[in-house]
Formats: sequence, C-alpha cells, structure tokens
Amino acid sequence: KAGVTQTPRYLIKTRGQQVTLSCSPISGHRSVSWYQQTPGQGLQFLFEYFSETQRNKGNFPGRFSGRQFSNSRSEMNVSTLELGDSALYLCASGPGPNEKLFFGSGTQLSVL
Amino acid sequence: SQQGEEDPQALSIQEGENATMNCSYKTSINNLQWYRQNSGRGLVHLILIRSNEREKHSGRLRVTLDTSKKSSSLLITASRAADTASYFCAAYSGGGADGLTFGKGTHLIIQP
Repeated sequence: KAGVTQTPRYLIKTRGQQVTLSCSPISGHRSVSWYQQTPGQGLQFLFEYFSETQRNKGNFPGRFSGRQFSNSRSEMNVSTLELGDSALYLCASGPGPNEKLFFGSGTQLSVL
Repeated sequence: SQQGEEDPQALSIQEGENATMNCSYKTSINNLQWYRQNSGRGLVHLILIRSNEREKHSGRLRVTLDTSKKSSSLLITASRAADTASYFCAAYSGGGADGLTFGKGTHLIIQP
C-alpha cells in the first residue's frame, strides 16, 4: 500500500506570492490533516478534513485555506506569502477522526 | 495552543540503556499518541493509548497514561542507535480548534 504522498517536496517562493501544496492520502483513508512545523513553534495544527468536510481548523489567519476532493486528495493554499510562512508542511491521513495518523514526508517551503 | 509538553527536551544515553520521556497535557483527552521523527522528515506513529487505558506495550515500547495527573510516559527499552530521533506526544481532545495537538518533542540521541 502506497504511503501518503506530498508534492512538491521543496518549494521556493517570494513574499506576496501564493502557493498550493498537494497531498494524496493512503488509499481508503478519508481523513486528512495538515500541520505546519517550524523550529520555533514546533508542530501546529492547520486543518482536518473528513469526507470533503472541514472538521477542525487551527488558529491560523485566513490566508491559509484548504480543501478535500471526493477522492480524498487534499490541497492547501497559502496566499500573500510572508517570510514567517517558511516551514515544513506536513500532511497526514487516517482511516477516520480520532485515530492514528500516517504522515507524508512533507513540503519544505522557503519564502524569500 | 500546545496541548502536549515533553520532558526532557533532549536526552543522550548509551546504546543498550533505557530511555524515558514524559509528556504533560492540559485538557481532558480522548486519546494520546506518540510519534517519532527522523531528521525533519514525516512523523511515524508509534503507539496510541486511549483515555480509559493505563498502560500499553508495543515491542520495546511501553506507554503509560495517568489521566488524573494529565501525564504520559514513553519508555524505550534496550535502546539502539537507530532509535536516535525526536519523539513527540500528541493529545486528541475530540475536535475544535486543536485537532491532534503536538508537544515540541524530546530529541533522543543514542551513543554507540
């Protein structure tokens, strides 16, 4: 069974641009969560989706948005990038809410 | 907000020794999970313990949960060099703006 796939692996953007990150969950998993990881703040929860519905959202500004498609694949978008958005963005899938998560390798975003 | 907080922040031991990491959390939980991360890559799920469980084992791992003290511990027995990684506890309270919230981790170094 293929694991969680995140694309791209690395991304370099400049301030003010927008970016879209993609996540393909493990086949059969309907729950997808996104996390931002930085050295200073650690792992912070962004969103959780289940069957195309956003179940939970973390305390991030409206520039951060996401969605989940009918095939459970998910995307997150960050608009008007700021230097502080530089981070490792991790996607995780699970069979359902409240269960263990399987993480992808992440997308390393650098904002210059 | 950071639900889980690990202690110590860093731990260095000799190969073959046991490693113990502690985690404290703030609110009532549905379950508590432990993950491992190698060199900024994706996290790997180790073990999940539910709020009505007190102890759980998986191979060389032993996790305890004390809901009255809002704390958990992870014991790795007979450590190996390959156990060198960062270990995170993550508390799931059941939803809201927190999702599955992670602590900042314990960085474990196993000296050969």
